[in-house]
Amino acid sequence: GQNIDQPTEMTATEGAIVQINCTYQTSGFNGLFWYQQHAGEAPTFLSYNVLDGLEEKGRFSSFLSRSKGYSYLLLKELQMKDSASYLCAGAAGNKLTFGGGTRVLVKP
Amino acid sequence: SAVISQKPSRDICQRGTSLTIQCQVDSQVTMMFWYRQQPGQSLTLIATANQGSEATYESGFVIDKFPISRPNLTFSTLTVSNMSPEDSSIYLCSVEGQSTRAEAFFGQGTRLTVV
Repeated sequence: GQNIDQPTEMTATEGAIVQINCTYQTSGFNGLFWYQQHAGEAPTFLSYNVLDGLEEKGRFSSFLSRSKGYSYLLLKELQMKDSASYLCAGAAGNKLTFGGGTRVLVKP
Repeated sequence: SAVISQKPSRDICQRGTSLTIQCQVDSQVTMMFWYRQQPGQSLTLIATANQGSEATYESGFVIDKFPISRPNLTFSTLTVSNMSPEDSSIYLCSVEGQSTRAEAFFGQGTRLTVV
């Protein structure tokens, strides 16, 4: 099965960088997703890693190490609108198992 | 990407009643997923709905409590039956993406409050 852990909450300053870590134990794993969810809204897709390494997409980057069961989401040049929950999700077949989510608060 | 319309967006219901949530997708998809997100929590998969067969439920969820219909490749319903305050939650439908990366797309969710 899948057991996915991420910190509950993080605070950072506008313009700074924040790294959200995600560790997992899984069988049948075939990918690791990151989603952003603003309060009261549905999650939106940010990134998907299936191979080891770093994937960069604008201000957001995601890293995966399958041997270590570890991923992180890196948010650069933080903006106030980045205040949201960030969900790590492991994929096994067509099913996603979500971590508890990390609430990121960006302060001016 | 897929556009998912989910309704109602919110409802307040009396305990003991049932609510049916509808999910409409703008393209044909093989699998649709129903999630629950309790207040302050992350998403938990309730069941996977396939067209033409019974839904597959995750541990802790049963068909009598959460019956699901999947009459065609663009539509599904989830019913929350015999509701209690513990069922107060956000319910989201999701479809897998059609790209090779298979990202999931979510409806806007149904915010259910049971009083």
